[in-house]
Amino acid sequence: SYVLTQSPSVSVAPGQTARITCGGDKIGSKSVHWYQQKPGQAPVLVVYDDTDRPSGIPERFSGSNFENTATLTITRVEAGDEADYLCQVWDFNTDRRVFGGGTKLTVL
Amino acid sequence: QVQLAESGGGLVKPGGSLTLSCAATGFSFSDHYMAWIRQAPGRGLEWISSVSGSGNVKYIADSVEGRFTIFRDNAKNSLHLQMHNLRVDDTAVYYCARESSRAAVTFWFDSWGQGTLVTVSS
Repeated sequence: SYVLTQSPSVSVAPGQTARITCGGDKIGSKSVHWYQQKPGQAPVLVVYDDTDRPSGIPERFSGSNFENTATLTITRVEAGDEADYLCQVWDFNTDRRVFGGGTKLTVL
Repeated sequence: QVQLAESGGGLVKPGGSLTLSCAATGFSFSDHYMAWIRQAPGRGLEWISSVSGSGNVKYIADSVEGRFTIFRDNAKNSLHLQMHNLRVDDTAVYYCARESSRAAVTFWFDSWGQGTLVTVSS
């Protein structure tokens, strides 16, 4: 089965840029989606189809995907961005949806 | 706006059964795949199962295949997850989610319910 690998944690100071990565075999050939989840809350979609943002998601959130790594970039990080971020793909070989293990973003 | 509301969670003994439900409002229910996703305490998200808008196409994770069944009632705008032979490691918050897709070559979850807790314990 397809595996997505995320670092457990990333820390960044307010106002700086956070980069959260999601690794997978030839993930660049798949579309990657990103979710933000705050403690005790349901996940929220922040980027879909590699680079698109749902309405209401700030432009500070952006995505990229190339070769074996997809990246969620958050510019001008705010305290309210502190959350877990999870990547997800659809594995067309098995028709299964796959999540990464999640990265906890800490705002220092 | 899109609203999803799960119900049916609770405490059940190992080997027991439970059926979860999700009431959907604010969109054309039969136009969307729907899914169940769970999150064990302190863990990440695990996709469990998806069903097509018509209900005819279903996908299920290996971890629950043979024990869980997804189904939907488009007349009532509801999604369900029937769970049998529950195990302690099925303990989790179970989320209902709406799926969207691009030309059926990728799927993502664009709306989520608040979740319902299932606890499997003796």
